[in-house]
Amino acid sequence: DAGVTQSPTHLIKTRGQQVTLRCSPISGHKSVSWYQQVLGQGPQFIFQYYEKEERGRGNFPDRFSARQFPNYSSELNVNALLLGDSALYLCASSVDSGANVLTFGAGSRLTVL
Amino acid sequence: GEDVEQSLFLSVREGDSSVINCTYTDSSSTYLYWYKQEPGAGLQLLTYIFSNMDMKQDQRLTVLLNKKDKHLSLRIADTQTGDSAIYFCAEDLYNFNKFYFGSGTKLNVKP
Repeated sequence: DAGVTQSPTHLIKTRGQQVTLRCSPISGHKSVSWYQQVLGQGPQFIFQYYEKEERGRGNFPDRFSARQFPNYSSELNVNALLLGDSALYLCASSVDSGANVLTFGAGSRLTVL
Repeated sequence: GEDVEQSLFLSVREGDSSVINCTYTDSSSTYLYWYKQEPGAGLQLLTYIFSNMDMKQDQRLTVLLNKKDKHLSLRIADTQTGDSAIYFCAEDLYNFNKFYFGSGTKLNVKP
């Protein structure tokens, strides 16, 4: 079985641009979470979605948004990019919103110039 | 409940035991986790422990939990060069599936 897949793996943007990151969860997993990992730090929670509904939001500005599709895949959008948005964006899936095991993808590395 | 602290570096020789420590601040955490991250990769779940347990062993890995001191440790027996990575502890507050991670401990295993 495929694990959590994310695309693109790497991308470079300039300040003020917008970016969309994509995630496909493990088959059968209905919950997707997004984390931001800045270099040298641990991941920080951004969003959790379950059955297309937002179940949790971390301390991130409104420039960050996400959605989940009927097939449980998800997109993370970041508008008006800042240099500080440069990070590894990790997607994780779990069976349901109450499950306690998150399986992470390899991440999308975003560089903002 | 958002302050999960770890020491930054640990260096051991191959074959020795490694002990990675973590402190957390919220006794409401129901589950505590250890993840491993190799260069350029995502996070790999190593093990987790429920808050009503004191210890959990899984092959070379032993997790110890001291709830009174809010201290979590991960012991790796017979450490191998392939264990070189960054290790993160994380807590899931109130079982909300919202994880708080420490900054990670970089383990260097010397041959």
